[in-house]
Amino acid sequence: EPEVTQTPSHQVTQMGQEVILRCVPISNHLYFYWYRQILGQKVEFLVSFYNNEISEKSEIFDDQFSVERPDGSNFTLKIRSTKLEDSAMYFCASAMGGETQYFGPGTRLLVL
Amino acid sequence: QQQVKQSPQSLIVQKGGISIINCAYENTAFDYFPWYQQFPGKGPALLIAIRPDVSEKKEGRFTISFNKSAKQFSLHIMDSQPGDSATYFCAARSGGYQKVTFGTGTKLQVIP
Repeated sequence: EPEVTQTPSHQVTQMGQEVILRCVPISNHLYFYWYRQILGQKVEFLVSFYNNEISEKSEIFDDQFSVERPDGSNFTLKIRSTKLEDSAMYFCASAMGGETQYFGPGTRLLVL
Repeated sequence: QQQVKQSPQSLIVQKGGISIINCAYENTAFDYFPWYQQFPGKGPALLIAIRPDVSEKKEGRFTISFNKSAKQFSLHIMDSQPGDSATYFCAARSGGYQKVTFGTGTKLQVIP
């Protein structure tokens, strides 16, 4: 069964450093998303991406965040200058365009 | 208005019992209501979903009940098993590729 994959599974970084989180969505999907989950809290929407552009973003997704689909398979989330409060689990999701978004296993980001 | 409220925060059920998780929403534009199951360290996985034109949907031991006029919906897990122990999120979405708005989650523990 096709699945969304994410790398790395864990990332530790120093405050102020740039991080890139990578995702490989399901191959024939057209819609891509990033969500995050701070430990013990609910899953929060960050950004959606379709047709090579951002279709919606939340207030969390400020100028420090960017997304890119550099080739036909990868979808990346970049945090330019990480802050302590960026520590969270980051989930990538993809959808064909219908109802179901399929989530990856997540990247646990720890900012020290 | 974009929130989805979920209760209880945690739930302990005996094996074989019924687990019930309740959710409520305000935004009448929501048109799709999925439930996600999340195990520790994993991404949310779609469990079952319902559209508001249906009052109940059953898949195996899992049933969603939907009350459109009250803007409430609930998940019932019949014959709960220890393997059902996980965090359950109700969610809602408006429009085909739009973001999913998650509830705050319910940590279910099924004890033998």
